[in-house]
Amino acid sequence: DAGVIQSPRHEVTEMGQEVTLRCKPISGHNSLFWYRQTMMRGLELLIYFNNNVPIDDSGMPEDRFSAKMPNASFSTLKIQPSEPRDSAVYFCASSFVSNQPQHFGDGTRLSIL
Amino acid sequence: AQSVAQPEDQVNVAEGNPLTVKCTYSVSGNPYLFWYVQYPNRGLQFLLKYITGDNLVKGSYGFEAEFNKSQTSFHLKKPSALVSDSALYFCAVRDMGSNYQLIWGAGTKLIIKP
Repeated sequence: DAGVIQSPRHEVTEMGQEVTLRCKPISGHNSLFWYRQTMMRGLELLIYFNNNVPIDDSGMPEDRFSAKMPNASFSTLKIQPSEPRDSAVYFCASSFVSNQPQHFGDGTRLSIL
Repeated sequence: AQSVAQPEDQVNVAEGNPLTVKCTYSVSGNPYLFWYVQYPNRGLQFLLKYITGDNLVKGSYGFEAEFNKSQTSFHLKKPSALVSDSALYFCAVRDMGSNYQLIWGAGTKLIIKP
């Protein structure tokens, strides 16, 4: 079975540009998580969706960040405008139900110049 | 406050020797505990979990973890380390006020030397 698929794997862009990260969760999973990983702050939960509905976006750092899940097989995380401090690895994870182990994608390494 | 601590930033073990990666937690009530592994340039992979039952939990790749309620610990162990076990290991505990939020440790880098 395919795991969680994220694209792109790497993104390098200039400050001020819009960045869109994409995620395809595992089929049948009803919970989707977006995380950010940095050396300084470790792994941070940005937003959690359940059955395509955003349940908890308290981890979204600023209004520049937004996330959508238009259907059960696709989610996006958008940063507009991007800033150098947004540079990090962004992970998408899904689980069958919210309290089951999470399956992570391989992440998007984002560099904002 | 709920928390997870991984007291060692790095653990070095010779191949073939037993390994232990330490984790302690602080939560109210009965904890749900997890171990994940992260290989370079990859996402985290689930290794094992403890919810209830036997204090010794067996997981993937020959790993096991021992839940110790009195010491509030959940150490990850393997009897004989492989070079391929070298990776970053994360302990996590379920936030008791949530059915989805995990509280993550900072991670421990495990280096297995041939």
